[in-house]
Amino acid sequence: DAGVIQSPRHEVTEMGQEVTLRCKPISGHDYLFWYRQTMMRGLELLIYFNNNVPIDDSGMPEDRFSAKMPNASFSTLKIQPSEPRDSAVYFCASSPTSNGAEAFFGQGTRLTVV
Amino acid sequence: KNEVEQSPQNLTAQEGEFITINCSYSVGISALHWLQQHPGGGIVSLFMLSSGKKKHGRLIATINIQEKHSSLHITASHPRDSAVYICAASGGGADGLTFGKGTHLIIQP
Repeated sequence: DAGVIQSPRHEVTEMGQEVTLRCKPISGHDYLFWYRQTMMRGLELLIYFNNNVPIDDSGMPEDRFSAKMPNASFSTLKIQPSEPRDSAVYFCASSPTSNGAEAFFGQGTRLTVV
Repeated sequence: KNEVEQSPQNLTAQEGEFITINCSYSVGISALHWLQQHPGGGIVSLFMLSSGKKKHGRLIATINIQEKHSSLHITASHPRDSAVYICAASGGGADGLTFGKGTHLIIQP
């Protein structure tokens, strides 16, 4: 397996534009996590899915953020409209289970909103 | 909610030195993870442990469940070990990982 695949690796967009980040988890992993990393706050959990169903989205900062997982091999994180404070690195990770299992991270998407 | 604290925040050492990074957490967990993040930004899982000690090459991770404390040791450190090391806890009433702020390690030749 190629591991967790995220796209794009880098995204630069203007304030107010819609941004969509994509993730392909490792095949067979039941859990998918979206994390955000900033200098100020470090790594934070945004939302996670179990078997394609969103379980906990309490980490999603605002209604401008939404995430979907239409099938077991694909998830998106959307920001609409984007703001400069959304600039961060967004990581997707997958895990065979959630409770203490090893997490496998994608390479991340570096988002810059200008 | 679990609080994960790491120390030190920054560490600079000479090649060959023995390195220790500490991590403490506030509530019971199912596992403690040590992650490595290189300047390129990718995150790699080094260890996942729920008790005792694990060793991989020059890296050793230990955990004391009673004291809610874990340590990551690097023996015979090398400049290529320079990276950010992140401690993360899973379980403790929440799914996903709760992260420490990370330790920025620089090993000078």
